[in-house]
Amino acid sequence: AQSVTQLGSHVSVSEGALVLLRCNYSSSVPPYLFWYVQYPNQGLQLLLKYTTGATLVKGINGFEAEFKKSETSFHLTKPSAHMSDAAEYFCAVTRENTNAGKSTFGDGTTLTVKP
Amino acid sequence: DTGVSQNPRHKITKRGQNVTFRCDPISEHNRLYWYRQTLGQGPEFLTYFQNEAQLEKSRLLSDRFSAERPKGSFSTLEIQRTEQGDSAMYLCASSPRTANTGELFFGEGSRLTVL
Repeated sequence: AQSVTQLGSHVSVSEGALVLLRCNYSSSVPPYLFWYVQYPNQGLQLLLKYTTGATLVKGINGFEAEFKKSETSFHLTKPSAHMSDAAEYFCAVTRENTNAGKSTFGDGTTLTVKP
Repeated sequence: DTGVSQNPRHKITKRGQNVTFRCDPISEHNRLYWYRQTLGQGPEFLTYFQNEAQLEKSRLLSDRFSAERPKGSFSTLEIQRTEQGDSAMYLCASSPRTANTGELFFGEGSRLTVL
């Protein structure tokens, strides 16, 4: 079974400040991990993903995340927040095999960026 | 690549009526997923197709819900005898067979309101 916990349903930062959105997962097999972003009235779009290899992964819009197996975490960061980063962010876990492919999502974190 | 398309975008119905949503995935994607998203929660997996075969259904998918993908292209999700608890955003996503990492490409969703 898989599960995802996103700590903090709302995060507020000032423009230019560090963004840190937390995600912890539970998986009985090595996970594939994802961060998606959802802007108002739009579908979810992929920010970045970890499958295998390098544990620090870079995504679009300056975001990055680090897979830490010992901490079962996949926190999302961005050095300097921009007003356009205001959105809802979802962490997800999956493990591909022949017939699976479904992802388990966290409940999301709403990021507010203050001017 | 025109993206995943969902119709209708909004549906308001009275309790007890039937509703149907349609999803057109990205053309070369053979996998198609339906998720449900309620306010304050992340997407929850409903069902999954590989080509025309429905490979998995969630326990969330009661007998009133049925999904089809008759020719392995578009899919429909029908809800019979709708209840107020069915009010939610219904998300469709697709993924290509070649990218076996579980990355999902989402549509903008179909919002259902049951009065």
